[in-house]
Amino acid sequence: ETGVTQTPRHLVMGMTNKKSLKCEQHLGHNAMYWYKQSAKKPLELMFVYNFKEQTENNSVPSRFSPECPNSSHLFLHLHTLQPEDSALYLCASSQDRADTGELFFGEGSRLTVL
Amino acid sequence: KQEVTQIPAALSVPEGENLVLNCSFTDSAIYNLQWFRQDPGKGLTSLLLIQSSQREQTSGRLNASLDKSSGRSTLYIAASQPGDSATYLCAPRGTNAGKSTFGDGTTLTVKP
Repeated sequence: ETGVTQTPRHLVMGMTNKKSLKCEQHLGHNAMYWYKQSAKKPLELMFVYNFKEQTENNSVPSRFSPECPNSSHLFLHLHTLQPEDSALYLCASSQDRADTGELFFGEGSRLTVL
Repeated sequence: KQEVTQIPAALSVPEGENLVLNCSFTDSAIYNLQWFRQDPGKGLTSLLLIQSSQREQTSGRLNASLDKSSGRSTLYIAASQPGDSATYLCAPRGTNAGKSTFGDGTTLTVKP
């Protein structure tokens, strides 16, 4: 497999559930990102990991908990979410955080919170 | 804080037309600027990446230009096709923390 792969593609959860989104990149990159895309709003950067270390948390509520066990994998753990958290969650990677290379995105995980 | 504006917000053209999408940004301290395409409900596909030292990049029917000092980039699409229908996003990547900031996008519809 190549590129950036996200699973699941679709997720429906209740406000009391706990679920996780997974992202895997096969590009040999060292930086990985979570973005949120809500209807009629521009992409919002949530978290940045560079060489497995979190380098940015863009004031994201604690009900979103990222995990980066290695440079190829990134998770977003979800718990006690709100209906307004329903959105498309996009994972991206680049060679490293401050490089001049391209940003590559996965297909996204469409989350619906009931 | 970087602000990115894309004009127009939506564009509908007949097949075969040449068109220009505009992107402006407020902070010219950028590493590069990337143009993406997004189909409904899908992820972003990279179209072109222009480094800050470059003036333009070309890929097939697409040509992107960058005027860093004035904070502008344009994406030129030649001989548009219905398959070009999508939302186009620009994202300048700032030298402050290497963060990419996205515009709201231009939604393009090419009618057969």
